[in-house]
Amino acid sequence: NAGVTQTPKFQVLKTGQSMTLQCAQDMNHEYMSWYRQDPGMGLRLIHYSVGAGITDQGEVPNGYNVSRSTTEDFPLRLLSAAPSQTSVYFCASSYTRQGNEAFFGQGTRLTVV
Amino acid sequence: AQTVTQSQPEMSVQEAETVTLSCTYDTSESDYYLFWYKQPPSRQMILVIRQEAYKQQNATENRFSVNFQKAAKSFSLKISDSQLGDAAMYFCAFLYGGSQGNLIFGKGTKLSVKP
Repeated sequence: NAGVTQTPKFQVLKTGQSMTLQCAQDMNHEYMSWYRQDPGMGLRLIHYSVGAGITDQGEVPNGYNVSRSTTEDFPLRLLSAAPSQTSVYFCASSYTRQGNEAFFGQGTRLTVV
Repeated sequence: AQTVTQSQPEMSVQEAETVTLSCTYDTSESDYYLFWYKQPPSRQMILVIRQEAYKQQNATENRFSVNFQKAAKSFSLKISDSQLGDAAMYFCAFLYGGSQGNLIFGKGTKLSVKP
């Protein structure tokens, strides 16, 4: 009954450090995505994937990398953290059939100092 | 490009009363879906209600209902008999039918419930 699992829940990074946010889902969803949530901005799409081996950019992709080697996992990599990447990050997954509900992880609060 | 606008950054309602949260969207597409998500202080995103654009009937889920006005591109959420547990951020979201999952969110409305 896990759904979408994100780790870690909280993280503090120094400017220039790299890290990977992990996301795993056990619902066999084809579609997975990463959003960032900033105060007063709603959620904005960073990257998404419609299946293993297929990824694409969303609205705010700069500074982030993704890969999708399996259906279950969709990690988000910050290559060189910047204070502007301080945010709450959400992973989501869904079936690609039209209009399906997206299931979200619990979010990662990332602070870059 | 599609956009979603929530014009009320904050709303307040008395417990047991009814409140309506507004959402408008802009699109040239005819095939799309609309959602309301709730985000309580725990940060978890929870689907409240879903509406298919091709359906004329407004969606309802227990105390939650929508007023979907397709011509006006309006999608408001009505919460009846408000409860303390309804206090949260509420996000309106748009999904284009040709998209495989890319949601477009409004900026959210923070709802407070007064006892």
